Amino acid sequence: KNQVEQSPQSLIILEGKNCTLQCNYTVSPFSNLRWYKQDTGRGPVSLTIMTFSENTKSNGRYTATLDADTKQSSLHITASQLSDSASYICVVSLLSGTYKYIFGTGTRLKVLA
Amino acid sequence: DSGVTQTPKHLITATGQRVTLRCSPRSGDLSVYWYQQSLDQGLQFLIQYYNGEERAKGNILERFSAQQFPDLHSELNLSSLELGDSALYFCASSPPGTSGGELFFGEGSRLTVL
Repeated sequence: KNQVEQSPQSLIILEGKNCTLQCNYTVSPFSNLRWYKQDTGRGPVSLTIMTFSENTKSNGRYTATLDADTKQSSLHITASQLSDSASYICVVSLLSGTYKYIFGTGTRLKVLA
Repeated sequence: DSGVTQTPKHLITATGQRVTLRCSPRSGDLSVYWYQQSLDQGLQFLIQYYNGEERAKGNILERFSAQQFPDLHSELNLSSLELGDSALYFCASSPPGTSGGELFFGEGSRLTVL
């Protein structure tokens, strides 16, 4: 069964600290993996996309990694800011099929001053 | 701004009533997806349309229905509303011709059923 699991469910850190969010998936056939950021009450916005051959990709203070062998991805946030407070959703896409998106339940991050 | 437009932004109604949520996808996108997000929950896939035709169904209740019109805008109809239908409803669109292309989400319609 195609599944995406994220950990932790929630996380509280102090402003300026780093953190890492995890995503484990059992999705086949794999096409790509995206991390989305969802501010409270807003629509999710894509942060990064990882394809099978990519190990690391950065977008400012966000760095995503992908290990296709172990089917794990992580999102590392450096020097966190209050505006990083949001839910982070891992979405894995299938290579085939009519509906191609498997959503994780998200990690809720709270950055405190 | 994702380019996906949803109306209304907020809607308050009573149990047993019927509402219609509207979504206009990004210019050029043929696929429209509807998602439901209850309080503090993840996004639940409801239904997908591609160029006017239903493409995939998720956990959509029989009381809910949707359609995509020739101009590619979509409507989600929710009937016989119950308290538990209170949620954020998101619409997303994706570019054609890509496998698992990026989803572009609207700002959502917040439905409150009293």
